[in-house]
Amino acid sequence: DTGVSQDPRHKITKRGQNVTFRCDPISEHNRLYWYRQTLGQGPEFLTYFQNEAQLEKSRLLSDRFSAERPKGSFSTLEIQRTEQGDSAMYLCASSRGGQPQHFGDGTRLSIL
Amino acid sequence: SQQGEEDPQALSIQEGENATMNCSYKTSINNLQWYRQNSGRGLVHLILIRSNEREKHSGRLRVTLDTSKKSSSLLITASRAADTASYFCATDAGGTSGSRLTFGEGTQLTVNP
Repeated sequence: DTGVSQDPRHKITKRGQNVTFRCDPISEHNRLYWYRQTLGQGPEFLTYFQNEAQLEKSRLLSDRFSAERPKGSFSTLEIQRTEQGDSAMYLCASSRGGQPQHFGDGTRLSIL
Repeated sequence: SQQGEEDPQALSIQEGENATMNCSYKTSINNLQWYRQNSGRGLVHLILIRSNEREKHSGRLRVTLDTSKKSSSLLITASRAADTASYFCATDAGGTSGSRLTFGEGTQLTVNP
């Protein structure tokens, strides 16, 4: 069990730029989740995949956000035309069936 | 929006003391989970209690669940400095939600040596 891996750990970018984050889940986990966490708050659900199918998206996930999970393995989260309000920690988690979720250490995004 | 509230927002105790954190939620749940987060890190799962359970133990952790009051508590006994972290409750509504979690705002626990 190598854990959930997220890359990069930190990303600093200028407002208006596009950014992409990657998440590698635990290999036998079929479910993958993205959450966003701002300072002093709990994580908020963004989207969820079962295998390669994106089954649910939060209203927080505006049109500027897109997530993919090709082949049901790793996942990417892209934010286009970043805004100041996108600054947050983006957390990925994976699980098998209804088992507890295992979280990665997140990607911290800072928008200048 | 967050599912519920956690109380207290911050708790500072001495090593060896017990720490109790409370969580309230708003909707029906399949289970409730507690997670721990060290600064700048991801969340670590601590314990899960199902909606038909009232109390559960794991090592120094004790969790209670009162579905009639829509509340839960986490007790950490004989605390250690290494327990210093943020603690979050999270609810799983089950059904078609795909086990996505709805988190509270967390309790920041500081254990002083």
